[in-house]
Amino acid sequence: DGGITQSPKYLFRKEGQNVTLSCEQNLNHDAMYWYRQDPGQGLRLIYYSQIVNDFQKGDIAEGYSVSREKKESFPLTVTSAQKNPTAFYLCASSLRDTIYNEQFFGPGTRLTVL
Amino acid sequence: GNSVTQMEGPVTLSEEAFLTINCTYTATGYPSLFWYVQYPGEGLQLLLKATKADDKGSNKGFEATYRKETTSFHLEKGSVQVSDSAVYFCALGPGGSQGNLIFGKGTKLSVKP
Repeated sequence: DGGITQSPKYLFRKEGQNVTLSCEQNLNHDAMYWYRQDPGQGLRLIYYSQIVNDFQKGDIAEGYSVSREKKESFPLTVTSAQKNPTAFYLCASSLRDTIYNEQFFGPGTRLTVL
Repeated sequence: GNSVTQMEGPVTLSEEAFLTINCTYTATGYPSLFWYVQYPGEGLQLLLKATKADDKGSNKGFEATYRKETTSFHLEKGSVQVSDSAVYFCALGPGGSQGNLIFGKGTKLSVKP
C-alpha cells in the first residue's frame, strides 16, 4: 500500500536536547512538507521541499532543520533553539506542478518536552 | 495574502441532524479548495475538493460547492452520524509560490447518539 509513515507516534524529549522526527513516503511524490499543529491554531508550515537536495523555510522555521537526501525521506530535527516544541507534527507530500495541490498526510508524531 | 476563515467550534449535533460548517477564503487567482478531516490522534485525510468555480465536491455524504461570488466553500451533510465526530479543516492551495496549503483553524464536530 502506498502512503506516508511517520515515526515515532509519541516522542518525549528533555529540554536542551535535539530530536529527529522521521517521515517516509512511497507515493513517488516530489514535494514534501512539515506542518505543526497546536490546539485551536490549525496547521502551520515549518519547511517544505519540492525536489531532492532542496528545501525552503515555511512560516515558522526557527528552531527547526530538515534534510532531503532521498526522494522518499524528509526528516525534521527539532533543535534546542525551538522555544516551545511541544506539539503535534504532521508530514505531507504531493505531486509537483499540479493545479490540485492535493496533499497526503502521515499519521503524525506527538512531541512532548519534559 | 491568501487566507481561510472557518466557523469556530465546537459544534455539537444529534445523530441525523443537518450539518453546515462555514468556510470563506481570500485569495488571488483561482485556488483549489479542500476539506480535510482529522479523527482523534490521527493525521488529516482528504474529504473532498473542488478546483474551479461552481464545482461541487462530494464524498461520504458530505458536499461543498466552490462559490467564487461569495468566496465560500461551506461543508454540508444532510444526516450526520456519531462516526462523523472529528475535526474538519477547510484549506486552499496553492498558498504561495511554495505550493503548500493554507488551512483554517479547524472546527470540532461532536455527534451525540
